[in-house]
Amino acid sequence: KNEVEQSPQNLTAQEGEFITINCSYSVGISALHWLQQHPGGGIVSLFMLSSGKKKHGRLIATINIQEKHSSLHITASHPRDSAVYICAVGKGAQKLVFGQGTRLTINP
Amino acid sequence: NAGVTQTPKFQVLKTGQSMTLQCAQDMNHEYMSWYRQDPGMGLRLIHYSVGAGITDQGEVPNGYNVSRSTTEDFPLRLLSAAPSQTSVYFCASSLLAGTYNEQFFGPGTRLTVL
Repeated sequence: KNEVEQSPQNLTAQEGEFITINCSYSVGISALHWLQQHPGGGIVSLFMLSSGKKKHGRLIATINIQEKHSSLHITASHPRDSAVYICAVGKGAQKLVFGQGTRLTINP
Repeated sequence: NAGVTQTPKFQVLKTGQSMTLQCAQDMNHEYMSWYRQDPGMGLRLIHYSVGAGITDQGEVPNGYNVSRSTTEDFPLRLLSAAPSQTSVYFCASSLLAGTYNEQFFGPGTRLTVL
């Protein structure tokens, strides 16, 4: 069993819909990261959080340490949000373990 | 700032050949790391470094060597390429302790070993 599990693996939605991507992990973590991988392959960091909730524009990330679960929400989704979203957890200070990613497609 | 740069973008090797993937960053980051990304699998850590002269193994280090002679550069060497090393390789950097800080990724190198 993977230490980091994401769901769903694939998600297709219509423009404007509210999107939720989930991440569950089975190990103690130092921090949790949400990343976005563009269709061209580039990877950018969206959030790094160790507790509570963070918001950046239409993106919201939450984490529940007790339940070992994090969610990434996208409000008012747009076709440009189409990408692979990746959850990664820190094991200690030096090592990140990644989920398999969620492929999101937003249709106009 | 150029951020994290990687060269080459694409490479085709024959089994048994050696090569070096280059990675450089201009943000004065102490932490640098190499990952491979394979279809259906998450990114996996190959090697990492917490500063010049200090490197350590990650999850999948076999067949790869690294060194860190300067803060800016962190090359990844394939000693004798195998088809199993066909993958997309990403270099990343962050300030100080890797997991507590925002990660900056290079554009990736797509490697095919025939």
